[in-house]
Amino acid sequence: QKEVEQNSGPLSVPEGAIASLNCTYSDRGSQSFFWYRQYSGKSPELIMFIYSNGDKEDGRFTAQLNKASQYVSLLIRDSQPSDSATYLCAVNSGGGADGLTFGKGTHLIIQP
Amino acid sequence: NAGVTQTPKFRILKIGQSMTLQCTQDMNHNYMYWYRQDPGMGLKLIYYSVGAGITDKGEVPNGYNVSRSTTEDFPLRLELAAPSQTSVYFCASSSQGNTEAFFGQGTRLTVV
Repeated sequence: QKEVEQNSGPLSVPEGAIASLNCTYSDRGSQSFFWYRQYSGKSPELIMFIYSNGDKEDGRFTAQLNKASQYVSLLIRDSQPSDSATYLCAVNSGGGADGLTFGKGTHLIIQP
Repeated sequence: NAGVTQTPKFRILKIGQSMTLQCTQDMNHNYMYWYRQDPGMGLKLIYYSVGAGITDKGEVPNGYNVSRSTTEDFPLRLELAAPSQTSVYFCASSSQGNTEAFFGQGTRLTVV
């Protein structure tokens, strides 16, 4: 059974600092990795996706993937109060049509 | 751009009643999904479809049915509602099976 594990938090980070969110997955065949942000009462919205080992940067966000360790992370630089949300890690097995497998999410709180 | 549209946004059902959650997308995506999200939990896949006329079960299909007569629409049917079906339901679509999924705004369902 495919599993995606995240620390549920809450993770509290001071404003302006770097927030580091982590995720591990069980299926070695996984090939697509996604980070979604979900505000309370809202639907998930895509923040980053990564397919290859290494780092991928987009503005204040950096996704990191290590397939050998089955580990994905999301770094948020210069954290803002508006970044306070639940961050969901999602994984898709190679070419699989059966959707994304989601972790339970990490609740991030940015303290002003 | 409408994206993925779900109706209704909120619904209260009595035990044993039935209802259909509507989902439509205007992005011409072949892949569509139904997820449910319980408090503090990640999203669980109920059913998915890879194209019109093709549907398959996800992780938690019991108590639900789907149909896919057109590319745009993917309704979810609840028969004989039970309190365990109290949840937030999200419809999503993607262009390929391993690409990012775009979510509707969700339907908050309470069964009493």
